[in-house]
Amino acid sequence: DQQVKQNSPSLSVQEGRISILNCDYTNSMFDYFLWYKKYPAEGPTFLISISSIKDKNEDGRFTVFLNKSAKHLSLHIVPSQPGDSAVYFCAATDTGRRALTFGSGTRLQVQP
Amino acid sequence: NAGVMQNPRHLVRRRGQEARLRCSPMKGHSHVYWYRQLPEEGLKFMVYLQKENIIDESGMPKERFSAEFPKEGPSILRIQQVVRGDSAAYFCASSPPSETQYFGPGTRLLVL
Repeated sequence: DQQVKQNSPSLSVQEGRISILNCDYTNSMFDYFLWYKKYPAEGPTFLISISSIKDKNEDGRFTVFLNKSAKHLSLHIVPSQPGDSAVYFCAATDTGRRALTFGSGTRLQVQP
Repeated sequence: NAGVMQNPRHLVRRRGQEARLRCSPMKGHSHVYWYRQLPEEGLKFMVYLQKENIIDESGMPKERFSAEFPKEGPSILRIQQVVRGDSAAYFCASSPPSETQYFGPGTRLLVL
């Protein structure tokens, strides 16, 4: 049973445009959400997070939106740059437990 | 501040041998987590440890796998009598008491 789902395996956008990566979850106990970026043969790099008490968090070009009623979150990257090309993982946790549950990832390709 | 260190980066073992994977957390972090990534999949939680204590091992296979985080030295993930299905990337993460986990570069285990 996949508790965190990233339904788009890949996404291609033009440099300078907005990239929107989506993530759905089923476990209502999840109260903290994170996005990681991963290059081949490297570990995941933390990008941005959001607590369930908020519906938006922004850090530079990255914004995460959380819709608790829909159990949906999204990561917006604007403007997209070729260096953003990587696999993006959504992760969720119940802060009482700490173990992260990851989605299967979305491969973002930013075309110059 | 050095990041999470893992060694070795690559490990080749024959079936039946033992694999030992090491993880040194970021300075000041007392929480360590191990995750496994099979090809084309997301990361799966294995175990969460604090110094000298296993806090959550709900993701660990029941047999052959063990983990420790001694008072001195790195955390160790030990796989006894490896099988081909153990071939994967193993990632360690560490965190302070907050929720955000920072990942190491991973150890890629290949079982021949």
